[in-house]
Parts: sequence; structure tokens; C-alpha cells
Amino acid sequence: QKEVEQDPGPLSVPEGAIVSLNCTYSNSAFQYFMWYRQYSRKGPELLMYTYSSGNKEDGRFTAQVDKSSKYISLFIRDSQPSDSATYLCAMSAGYSSASKIIFGSGTRLSIRP
Amino acid sequence: GAGVSQSPSNKVTEKGKDVELRCDPISGHTALYWYRQSLGQGLEFLIYFQGNSAPDKSGLPSDRFSAERTGGSVSTLTIQRTQQEDSAVYLCASSLAGKEYFGPGTRLTVT
Repeated sequence: QKEVEQDPGPLSVPEGAIVSLNCTYSNSAFQYFMWYRQYSRKGPELLMYTYSSGNKEDGRFTAQVDKSSKYISLFIRDSQPSDSATYLCAMSAGYSSASKIIFGSGTRLSIRP
Repeated sequence: GAGVSQSPSNKVTEKGKDVELRCDPISGHTALYWYRQSLGQGLEFLIYFQGNSAPDKSGLPSDRFSAERTGGSVSTLTIQRTQQEDSAVYLCASSLAGKEYFGPGTRLTVT
């Protein structure tokens, strides 16, 4: 079993829809959770960074962490065609660079105009 | 400030040749990762350097792959006797305070 599981998609939704992207994990030591966005032929870029359980909002994006269920989500409101990309979740046990970051396999998202 | 840079951006090589891929991390970042990403696939972890600790090489797919990081900064990923299945984008990332920043990648094509 992988430490981090993520549905690869592809996920296709109409413009303006609310998108929900999810990851599950098995290592209860994970405390830091990230979402990356990767456009085609580009490197991943950090989108959201959260610590422990709870919600974090940034514009149209909300990251949610439920440590009791070992489940994290990224919600995108009022989705736009420019949101079409692959979204990767990532997590680590510690704050310092000594804690290895583990990635999910990514979910490919397509927003239809 | 400058981000993570990688060179070359594209590399075409013949099967059996050796290649070297370079990564310049963000200054001051103590951790450095190499990943491989095939078309439409997720990130495949290759190797992880953290400070002066021994690198985590658990992701290297074969002994044809090696990497070094000199002076805690620049890193080179070497692939010996390249095979067609080595064709992929090789991504480097550096990390500080738990946040990872990626370079643009090197697209390797083995003919």
C-alpha cells in the first residue's frame, strides 16, 4: 500500500463548478500537508500549505485536513478553465527539511468552458 | 529571487550513452530531491539529499542511476548506458521549512 493515495482522474467539470480533490494517507505522523498544481510541461508549483487538522482558505481555494480520518481535500470554487492542470497532494511529518516529503500520484483536472 | 534551475532543458541522446543532468537549488535550501515523471504520470521519487546526511537513494531504479550533491548546493544526476525507458522529464526540487520548490525539469529523450 502506498503511503499516499490519490485518484488519478481525469476529472472533468463545467466552468463555475465546485471541484473537490482528495487524498488519503496511512502514516499518522504526517502533520504538514500541501497541494501542488502542475500545468502541462511545467514543474509543480506550491498552491496551499497547511499544518495539522482544519481548514485554510486562499481566494477560491480551500484546503481541508481531517487527521482522524487521514484524509485531505482541496476545494476549488467557481472553477475556471485556467484551473485545468494536474493537482498533487504532498505531506510530511516534520517542519524541517529533514522530513522527507511524500507525494500523491496527482489528479488530472479539466474545466470545460 | 532566483528559483530552482535545471540544465539542459531538453536532452536527446542515443541509447547506450551516458547523460548528466544538473540542478541548481535555491540558495540556502538544505534539502534537494530528484524525481522522474513520465508523460501523464505522477512523480516518481529518485533520491533525496538532506544536509550532510547520507542521501536516501531508495528510489533509484537501477545502478545505472547515480547522483551527487557537491558542497551542499549543486546536484548532478547521472544516467549511464541510457535505455529508451529512461525517457522522461527529470525534475529537481529544493526544500526549506517543509516547503518544496520545483525546477522546470529536463526532458530526456533516448533514441
